[in-house]
Amino acid sequence: DAGVIQSPRHEVTEMGQEVTLRCKPISGHDYLFWYRQTMMRGLELLIYFNNNVPIDDSGMPEDRFSAKMPNASFSTLKIQPSEPRDSAVYFCASSLGSVENTEAFFGQGTRLTVV
Amino acid sequence: QQPVQSPQAVILREGEDAVINCSSSKALYSVHWYRQKHGEAPVFLMILLKGGEQKGHEKISASFNEKKQQSSLYLTASQLSYSGTYFCGTESDSGYALNFGKGTSLLVTP
Repeated sequence: DAGVIQSPRHEVTEMGQEVTLRCKPISGHDYLFWYRQTMMRGLELLIYFNNNVPIDDSGMPEDRFSAKMPNASFSTLKIQPSEPRDSAVYFCASSLGSVENTEAFFGQGTRLTVV
Repeated sequence: QQPVQSPQAVILREGEDAVINCSSSKALYSVHWYRQKHGEAPVFLMILLKGGEQKGHEKISASFNEKKQQSSLYLTASQLSYSGTYFCGTESDSGYALNFGKGTSLLVTP
């Protein structure tokens, strides 16, 4: 398997524009996680899915953020409208079972810059 | 709730040892350790599940205290390849995802 695949790797957009980040988890993994990484706050959990169903979105910062998982092989994280403070590296990760017992595999991340 | 890591940063000479600590205000089911090299994704190192457990991976090992509120990562005889940011992860309130500490930046110099 190629691992968790994220696209794009880099995104530069203007404030107010819509941004969509994409993730393809490892085939067969039941859990998918979205994280945001900044220098100030470290790695923050935004939302996670189990079998395509959102379980906990309490980490989503505002209504401007939304995430979907229409099928087992694809998820999106959308920011609309984007703001400069959303600039960060966004990671998607997947795991086989609950992370109590199995490791999470991270994608290479999307570096988002909002100007 | 985010676990607390210390120290924030460490600089070592090759061959020296380091300890990274991770603590929580509540008893944990498990602790996970990850390492992230600059510009790359975090990579899993190990998971500890039992109070009093110790686990090793070459010269990197970790312990989980009896009360399951603190874990330490031990790096012995450090190598240049150990440089990176180390994160501990603990289960979220909903139980099925990890909350990570802010990380400990480790730099090993020749």
